[in-house]
Amino acid sequence: GQQVMQIPQYQHVQEGEDFTTYCNSSTTLSNIQWYKQRPGGHPVFLIQLVKSGEVKKQKRLTFQFGEAKKNSSLHITATQTTDVGTYFCAANTGTASKLTFGTGTRLQVTL
Amino acid sequence: EPEVTQTPSHQVTQMGQEVILRCVPISNHLYFYWYRQILGQKVEFLVSFYNNEISEKSEIFDDQFSVERPDGSNFTLKIRSTKLEDSAMYFCASSEGTQYFGPGTRLTVL
Repeated sequence: GQQVMQIPQYQHVQEGEDFTTYCNSSTTLSNIQWYKQRPGGHPVFLIQLVKSGEVKKQKRLTFQFGEAKKNSSLHITATQTTDVGTYFCAANTGTASKLTFGTGTRLQVTL
Repeated sequence: EPEVTQTPSHQVTQMGQEVILRCVPISNHLYFYWYRQILGQKVEFLVSFYNNEISEKSEIFDDQFSVERPDGSNFTLKIRSTKLEDSAMYFCASSEGTQYFGPGTRLTVL
């Protein structure tokens, strides 16, 4: 079945530093979604990318979908302590089908 | 803003007992899901539900699991005879495109 891996598993940065997590799929994806899960919380939808090479920005967050639609990245510029959590990429084969989650990257930000 | 709700927030049960986890999806959504997350691991799909029937299920969703939409608002997950390895967070989600997750039920099987 479809496998979605993320690297790194864990990253610890100082506030103000940048952070990037990478998501790689074993198969071509129809779309990629990103979720954030705060410690003890539930996954919260951030964004969906659909087009090859697509780049979307949300304030300090930049999301990119690879040209081959098999990889994606999330970059956070100038991290803040509020960015702490685990970032998951997730993919489905079509609207409303099941989500296959990546392995997640846990971000820790210290002052 | 509408949200998915789940009850209880935490359930402790003895091995072999039945548990029912409850979810109230967002009211105009038509697609419903259950996922689980073992502590420190990724979120895993269990089952999806549409038009009053299961549309897809994973290998995890064996005969011990069942889902039901008993009325117009609730969506339940039943585990008939719990095992130690069923201990996890169980998330309900609903969708009209994007999937929105509830706060989860932490199930502890002793």
